[in-house]
Amino acid sequence: GENVEQHPSTLSVQEGDSAVIKCTYSDSASNYFPWYKQELGKRPQLIIDIRSNVGEKKDQRIAVTLNKTAKHFSLHITETQPEDSAVYFCAARLDSWGKLQFGAGTQVVVTP
Amino acid sequence: DAGITQSPRYKITETGRQVTLMCHQTWSHSYMFWYRQDLGHGLRLIYYSAAADITDKGEVPDGYVVSRSKTENFPLTLESATRSQTSVYFCASSDPEGLAGTGAKNIQYFGAGTRLSVL
Repeated sequence: GENVEQHPSTLSVQEGDSAVIKCTYSDSASNYFPWYKQELGKRPQLIIDIRSNVGEKKDQRIAVTLNKTAKHFSLHITETQPEDSAVYFCAARLDSWGKLQFGAGTQVVVTP
Repeated sequence: DAGITQSPRYKITETGRQVTLMCHQTWSHSYMFWYRQDLGHGLRLIYYSAAADITDKGEVPDGYVVSRSKTENFPLTLESATRSQTSVYFCASSDPEGLAGTGAKNIQYFGAGTRLSVL
């Protein structure tokens, strides 16, 4: 089955700096890669996603890049703000059922 | 987000007791999922369902039972709770074909979660 590895497990950045989280997946058939943000005590919420026919996608301060050959994708957050502090999860879609395999998560802490 | 609700939000039970966690969605999404979230493990899939009366096991199904007699409900039952089932449980739903008109295809929307403690 699909295996998704996510690094780093924790990331501390100064406000205004950039943050990068990387994920690798094992199944070359995976074709959909969402990123979820989970604030403390809250539900995971989708912040950006990318499909396998696209190499990069941006939405304001966040961007995701996908390298299908290397089977890895990354989340980039620029000009970080304290409200970006949260746990971020990457995921890869396993099959047509829509099942997602999640990474273990990255705790991002933005310090003022 | 208000379209998918979980109850109860918090539950304390004892080992050996049966517990049912409820999940209800108003979007008519065909797919529904149950995850458990434990520190260091991210979100692990317990069971999923593609439609009413169609369910299948996920990554960690042992000790859990699901049913889906109606599209909008997907209850998760712990038949005999164990301490290892202490966790936060999330329900999610998605609309794989975009037919429900409630969002893009395949995006999973999560409920607020149920924090379960088994003593």
